Amino acid sequence: QITLKESGPTLVKPTQTLTLTCTFSGFSFDTRGVGVGWIRQPPGKALEWLGNIYWNDDRRYIPSLKSRLTITRDTSKNQVVLTLTNMDPVDTATYYCAHRYWGLNFDYWGQGTLVTVSS
Amino acid sequence: DVVMTQTPVSLSVTPGQPASLSCTSSHSLLHSDGRTYLYWYLQKPGQPPQLLIYEVSNRFSGVPDRFIGSGSETDFTLKISRVEAEDVGVYYCMQSMKVPWTFGQGTKVEIK
Repeated sequence: QITLKESGPTLVKPTQTLTLTCTFSGFSFDTRGVGVGWIRQPPGKALEWLGNIYWNDDRRYIPSLKSRLTITRDTSKNQVVLTLTNMDPVDTATYYCAHRYWGLNFDYWGQGTLVTVSS
Repeated sequence: DVVMTQTPVSLSVTPGQPASLSCTSSHSLLHSDGRTYLYWYLQKPGQPPQLLIYEVSNRFSGVPDRFIGSGSETDFTLKISRVEAEDVGVYYCMQSMKVPWTFGQGTKVEIK
């Protein structure tokens, strides 16, 4: 059974760095084709893909955030970490992590964590 | 970026009646590997999205057969053959043909 859960601060100040952790179970980065993605959703708005990290440690990022966004993994802890620098109120959103396996993109999702950017 | 356009914005459907949702992409989603990377998700109120359809027409595990995906290259459709009360929510299409992966703005389905 695949599960994912996001954790991290619910409130950050403008210019601060956001660090979110996705802790997962039921799969491993040892399996070819596995990946974890991050997706966010501002309140009342549509979904926005942020980036993926893959079994081979390859990473893909949304270009508009590439200078601020880093996705890493800790295979020993079954965790994926999202770091977003220089936070702004427009980054207020629910942040989701999700599993993918080859062509099955985002077949399992975490419950999401709402991050508010405010002074 | 590949722009995904969904129509209609919202849809009100009588239970038991069909519904048709459209998704158009600004670029062909047909990859050189022969696969077409178009996905449909349903986000029920207060929940994360759930995968319904992958690669245009393949139902994900446990998805009822009343959900039918079709289309090719740039034009895609999700049909619900007989809408049920549990189908309410926002439906999103997504492409993973090109980075950045992009979602449509969603179609909100409600029950009359």
